[in-house]
Amino acid sequence: GQNIDQPTEMTATEGAIVQINCTYQTSGFNGLFWYQQHAGEAPTFLSYNVLDGLEEKGRFSSFLSRSKGYSYLLLKELQMKDSASYLCAVYNAGNNRKLIWGLGTSLAVNP
Amino acid sequence: DTGVSQDPRHKITKRGQNVTFRCDPISEHNRLYWYRQTLGQGPEFLTYFQNEAQLEKSRLLSDRFSAERPKGSFSTLEIQRTEQGDSAMYLCASSVLGRQGSYGELFFGEGSRLTVL
Repeated sequence: GQNIDQPTEMTATEGAIVQINCTYQTSGFNGLFWYQQHAGEAPTFLSYNVLDGLEEKGRFSSFLSRSKGYSYLLLKELQMKDSASYLCAVYNAGNNRKLIWGLGTSLAVNP
Repeated sequence: DTGVSQDPRHKITKRGQNVTFRCDPISEHNRLYWYRQTLGQGPEFLTYFQNEAQLEKSRLLSDRFSAERPKGSFSTLEIQRTEQGDSAMYLCASSVLGRQGSYGELFFGEGSRLTVL
């Protein structure tokens, strides 16, 4: 089967660091995406990992371990505007090029 | 690029009526996806086009749903005989592969929110 797991909710404090984990079990793997979605808005692209390791982009970093079927999104120097849902999605070219989506992690950043 | 645009942004209809949503993808994006999303859930795949060809339609989608992309540019999603369970946000996304610097990531429109009374 195809399955992606993320925590449902997380809470963190402004200025802190938070790590959002994602584990996946899919029949194929051609990359993993992280998207950010504010309430009532469409998802926006954050990062893409296809090789093992850490990809850094400003305050956001994403890590991938293909052997463990594991990724995380690391958010540093949290700001109130980072309160949003963070969606993990696996790209499987053999799955007719569709993304398999997790349910998202709702992050609340408190002052 | 002007981004992916969807119309209408909000639609309220009575049960049993037909509704149609339009999506204009980013120009030169050859792939177009329709998703449905409800509160607290990730996007649920509905259907996918490469150029004008509809390559896949979700098995979860009933025959009341139909989508077209006649000229490989804009797309329409029609829901016939709407039911209250159809109330959701309908998201359109487009992507392109083979372009330098692109991962094939999806660019989403703002969505069309449907409320069926």
